[in-house]
Amino acid sequence: NAGVTQTPKFRILKIGQSMTLQCTQDMNHNYMYWYRQDPGMGLKLIYYSVGAGITDKGEVPNGYNVSRSTTEDFPLRLELAAPSQTSVYFCASSYSLQALTDTQYFGPGTRLTVL
Amino acid sequence: AQKVTQAQTEISVVEKEDVTLDCVYETRDTTYYLFWYKQPPSGELVFLIRRNSFDEQNEISGRYSWNFQKSTSSFNFTITASQVVDSAVYFCALSLTGNQFYFGTGTSLTVIP
Repeated sequence: NAGVTQTPKFRILKIGQSMTLQCTQDMNHNYMYWYRQDPGMGLKLIYYSVGAGITDKGEVPNGYNVSRSTTEDFPLRLELAAPSQTSVYFCASSYSLQALTDTQYFGPGTRLTVL
Repeated sequence: AQKVTQAQTEISVVEKEDVTLDCVYETRDTTYYLFWYKQPPSGELVFLIRRNSFDEQNEISGRYSWNFQKSTSSFNFTITASQVVDSAVYFCALSLTGNQFYFGTGTSLTVIP
């Protein structure tokens, strides 16, 4: 299994540009998540999904959109990039926390800079 | 509201010393899950442990041990005989249903050789 994969690893955007961060998992997990990590800070949840066709906002959703058309993919869209969106973005997935030993599995991250 | 506090921003220890990383959580729910993750300088997030609210048993895994105390809402992490490879940022996290996770701001541990 590849686990959780994210592309690209690095990206520089100009203010106002748009882009999509890709996330794919091959573990047949129901739950998927997008986080951002600002320097010296913990992770903040942007959006999450509990299954294909179902998404919901997390703590910091403004400026982002998501979709979940398949179990495997959970892309994150930035429509009008702003310097405040400079961050490291992590995608994660899990089966279900009701399974006593399950946890989140994280992708390697995407480092995004908006200039 | 849910909250995770890691009051120690940075800790430095000399190799082979023991070190404890503190984590205090807040929630009114009776069912919840607690986690510790390690983020080495390479940036990835590595799962260390999960604890369910109904299981207060402490756990030891090699040089790592965790002390879960519901009475003080704490889930502390101890590294025994620290090594340089333990240098990383450590995050404590709380989840209620698996829908949302709440992370602390992390503790940066530096182990000096």
